Amino acid sequence: GAGVSQTPSNKVTEKGKYVELRCDPISGHTALYWYRQSLGQGPEFLIYFQGTGAADDSGLPNDRFFAVRPEGSVSTLKIQRTERGDSAVYLCASSPPPGTGGFDEQFFGPGTRLTVL
Amino acid sequence: SQQGEEDPQALSIQEGENATMNCSYKTSINNLQWYRQNSGRGLVHLILIRSNEREKHSGRLRVTLDTSKKSSSLLITASRAADTASYFCATRRGNTPLVFGKGTRLSVIA
Repeated sequence: GAGVSQTPSNKVTEKGKYVELRCDPISGHTALYWYRQSLGQGPEFLIYFQGTGAADDSGLPNDRFFAVRPEGSVSTLKIQRTERGDSAVYLCASSPPPGTGGFDEQFFGPGTRLTVL
Repeated sequence: SQQGEEDPQALSIQEGENATMNCSYKTSINNLQWYRQNSGRGLVHLILIRSNEREKHSGRLRVTLDTSKKSSSLLITASRAADTASYFCATRRGNTPLVFGKGTRLSVIA
């Protein structure tokens, strides 16, 4: 079946601009996660959705970052007034519902490489 | 914050040799997972070991967990050039998010 997809694969923008990154999780996966990965580092948690609601947004670095998942499937990560320090690969992952046995394993998309000039 | 710390940061071996990577963490956990990442993009889940397990096997992979030392190791036997990638450990405590380490970059030379 189809895996997690993310669009665009690459995004180059200028400092101060607004960007949207999209994640399409595996069908039936209720949990969706966003991570940010800088060069030479491991993925850093940003936000976690269970269904439509953000269950944990403690990893969002500041109020320029926002994510939505209005229908419980596709999610969009929104970054306002981008800064050069936002340049990173943004990864999305999904997992099956809790109690189904596969909840702990996360399935990752290929990521969006964001470059802020 | 980084919970898991992998060691070594980089490892280079010949094809056919075994590769061992270690991970240390700081707090109690429910499970520890290992992921592989090729070319800095999507991660692939390799294996999960729960806090009440000590060893787990999957194909050429062997994972151990020592909760008293808060450490885990990943052994890849009979390595292949295709195993070249970065390997990350990630820990989970309750319903908290996965916390990843910085990874070990493995190079397998044919």
